[in-house]
Amino acid sequence: DGGITQSPKYLFRKEGQNVTLSCEQNLNHDAMYWYRQDPGQGLRLIYYSQIVNDFQKGDIAEGYSVSREKKESFPLTVTSAQKNPTAFYLCASSSGQGAYTEAFFGQGTRLTVV
Amino acid sequence: RKEVEQDPGPFNVPEGATVAFNCTYSNSASQSFFWYRQDCRKEPKLLMSVYSSGNEDGRFTAQLNRASQYISLLIRDSKLSDSATYLCVVNYHNNDMRFGAGTRLTVKP
Repeated sequence: DGGITQSPKYLFRKEGQNVTLSCEQNLNHDAMYWYRQDPGQGLRLIYYSQIVNDFQKGDIAEGYSVSREKKESFPLTVTSAQKNPTAFYLCASSSGQGAYTEAFFGQGTRLTVV
Repeated sequence: RKEVEQDPGPFNVPEGATVAFNCTYSNSASQSFFWYRQDCRKEPKLLMSVYSSGNEDGRFTAQLNRASQYISLLIRDSKLSDSATYLCVVNYHNNDMRFGAGTRLTVKP
């Protein structure tokens, strides 16, 4: 089945550790996104990528890093520089072609710092 | 000022009620607009796109006012299953998609 897959679903991290969240899509989409959602809040854009080997910072990129070496993969690393990383992380993709292109989301990763 | 702002909510309405949500955006270069629905602890899913001429899908009507930079969502004859958070989404020309904070709707019997 075509879709977007995030793993793991739940992740626990010790303070001071880097951790990488996986996002894979088999929809042949050009554009991919990472958002962060805190309880009772909307989605805030961390990074997005329009094409392989290219990405742009969103509103809250500090403490995060990404790579886009393959079209189908857009991993997010939460570094120790991110002071408050506990949140729900959502990855999305869209074809990026034309204005009205729907974004499809993965099921999310809940990261907790312990 | 936030790029995308929504009614704060929450909205608590009885079954059968009509409810409307508004959303304003700051970037006049915004190209496309959407409403997404998010159920508790789930990922957002597309509810409907918002076209310049306005569009309707069953009980849902979306409208866009580019001059005033706002979009709206109207839900008629609310059902219990409509209870969710509704997210306004604005897409800039370079596929930069921004979400509002969401409006929470609870429909009660």
